[in-house]
Amino acid sequence: QSVLTQPPSASGTPGQRVTISCSGSSSNIGSNTVNWYQQLPGTAPKLLIYGSNNQRPSGVPDRFSGSKSGTSASLAISGLQSEDEADYYCAAWDDSLNGVVFGGGTKLTVL
Amino acid sequence: EAQLVESGGGLVQPGGSLRLSCAASGFTVSSYWMHWVRQAPGKGLVWVSRIGTDGSSIRYADSVKGRFTISRDNAKNTLYLQMNSLRAEDTAMFYCARAVATTRNAYDIWGQGTMVTVSS
Repeated sequence: QSVLTQPPSASGTPGQRVTISCSGSSSNIGSNTVNWYQQLPGTAPKLLIYGSNNQRPSGVPDRFSGSKSGTSASLAISGLQSEDEADYYCAAWDDSLNGVVFGGGTKLTVL
Repeated sequence: EAQLVESGGGLVQPGGSLRLSCAASGFTVSSYWMHWVRQAPGKGLVWVSRIGTDGSSIRYADSVKGRFTISRDNAKNTLYLQMNSLRAEDTAMFYCARAVATTRNAYDIWGQGTMVTVSS
């Protein structure tokens, strides 16, 4: 049971816009920044979105964007491409647990 | 180019110990917040531990507290995770990760991972 809640799966067709939600509480998302990672099969995760201004590391396309409201956050992917098929994780520091908490992950399928 | 390379994983019996290493290149480990994250086969990411730039600011997940110890060797530019009293539920791929310089826990550099299997 993960501290942050994500839907286990999501899907979309090429070119479509999809969003993945991440729900937490006042001790994590409500008071700290949310980071998003993409994990392709058999590889290490890759940072997509981070920081209070939802920044993208160099090399991450602007098709990926993040937002936060209260104790929930979302990752949006526009212009969906086949190579976006992967697992996506949200994460944040938790002030009560004194550690980083992850969502359970969302498997994105491009139909 | 910044890079992390883990080693030290393997098969160990329940109750045994392992020390994981994470060798950094292209940057100085002591200048960044460094973390360990694990992933059981077919499961999600789970945070394990972190060490701050000051060498303290150390934190552990409750599931490993008292059994795992994070440390670093500045001269070798290497991060470590000493794991004692290993349990079957510790079986996972272990990743070391570097936090973005302006943050403490957004991981921009990951190692390739080292697999730890706890089984008799």
